[in-house]
Amino acid sequence: GAGVSQTPSNKVTEKGKYVELRCDPISGHTALYWYRQSLGQGPEFLIYFQGTGAADDSGLPNDRFFAVRPEGSVSTLKIQRTERGDSAVYLCASSLSWTSGDNEQFFGPGTRLTVL
Amino acid sequence: AQKVTQAQTEISVVEKEDVTLDCVYETRDTTYYLFWYKQPPSGELVFLIRRNSFDEQNEISGRYSWNFQKSTSSFNFTITASQVVDSAVYFCALRINTGKLIFGQGTTLQVKP
Repeated sequence: GAGVSQTPSNKVTEKGKYVELRCDPISGHTALYWYRQSLGQGPEFLIYFQGTGAADDSGLPNDRFFAVRPEGSVSTLKIQRTERGDSAVYLCASSLSWTSGDNEQFFGPGTRLTVL
Repeated sequence: AQKVTQAQTEISVVEKEDVTLDCVYETRDTTYYLFWYKQPPSGELVFLIRRNSFDEQNEISGRYSWNFQKSTSSFNFTITASQVVDSAVYFCALRINTGKLIFGQGTTLQVKP
């Protein structure tokens, strides 16, 4: 079946602009996660959803970052007033559920964001 | 606080050598899960294994094996008879009951022919 998909694969923007990154999880997966991976680092957690609600947004770095999942499937990560430090690969993952701790998370290919 | 440490930044071996990637974790939770992911040059994270904190049995899958020791808070990964296709960045990760994964810094493995 189809895996997690993310669009766009690459996004170049200018400092101060607004960007949206989209994630399509695996069909039937109720939990969806966003991570950010800077060059040479491991992924860092941003936010995750169980259904439509954000269950944990403790990883969002500041109020310029926001994510939604209005219908419990596709999610959009929104970044306002982008800064050069936001440049990274943004990874999305999904799992069947978050209630069972051993549910593995399946990752998408990521969106590489470059802020000039 | 939860933390994962992968002290080896880069490892280089010659094909057919065995190689062990180290992972040390910190958590005060008694229930937790440990994972290994592979990130090849294409960039997509590939799940390899998960272990829960109550199962210290070692596991072998083909050329891969994992050694989980709670006494030393370690979850090491060994590749036997390495191959060029094993070249990738490998991440160890910890998950407690909040759902999010806490990743280590990763170990870059280069297998030379």
